[in-house]
Amino acid sequence: DIQMTQSPSSLSASTGDRVTITCRASQSISNYLNWYQQKPGKAPELLIYGASTLQSGVPSRFSGSGSGTDFTLTISSLQPEDFATYYCEQSYGTPGFGQGTKVEIK
Amino acid sequence: QVTLRESGPALVKPTQTLTLTCTFSGFSLSTTGMCVSWIRQPPGKALEWLARIDWDDDKYYNTSLKTRLTISKDTSKNQVVLIMTNMDPVDTATYYCARMTTVKRPFDYWGQGTLVTVSS
Repeated sequence: DIQMTQSPSSLSASTGDRVTITCRASQSISNYLNWYQQKPGKAPELLIYGASTLQSGVPSRFSGSGSGTDFTLTISSLQPEDFATYYCEQSYGTPGFGQGTKVEIK
Repeated sequence: QVTLRESGPALVKPTQTLTLTCTFSGFSLSTTGMCVSWIRQPPGKALEWLARIDWDDDKYYNTSLKTRLTISKDTSKNQVVLIMTNMDPVDTATYYCARMTTVKRPFDYWGQGTLVTVSS
């Protein structure tokens, strides 16, 4: 199975900050990497798929990059509604998720 | 409008069998490429993919849970059923069903999840 490693596991940031979350796959997954946002008590929501394609309705402050084994989710200017937990997921093989990154208010 | 909704018991005893149903609307599992997966999340922990069923009735399972899981579909009822045997307290989690429009695509729609507690 392909293992997904996210870092950091948590971070503290302020509104307006630029935030970067990384995700590494244990083997090449091409660009089959997706990012989800999850708020407490809610189901995850798709943010980015195919490593860099924004899901419809997702604000443009979110962006994704990478291919092969190393990927990045960037929030260019953190907004109050962005405080949440973010998960990467590879859809190259049997689906697998990273451990999550909790973005907290500084 | 695509919706999915999970249903099943909120509480099961250790060693019992769990049966969860995902009832969906807005798409058909007879459409070529369509897939539905089950994913779970223990309280405060990460997401874990469990199983997937495809439009052509192909089935895939989490390697470590394969012996305990069975996934099936009833296309006429727009339902996907997950059976998990020999439940243990570590299986306490919120269980989600989610849709993929084809293999290698993301989970674009999720149910709201159902919390299953395993306790005697």
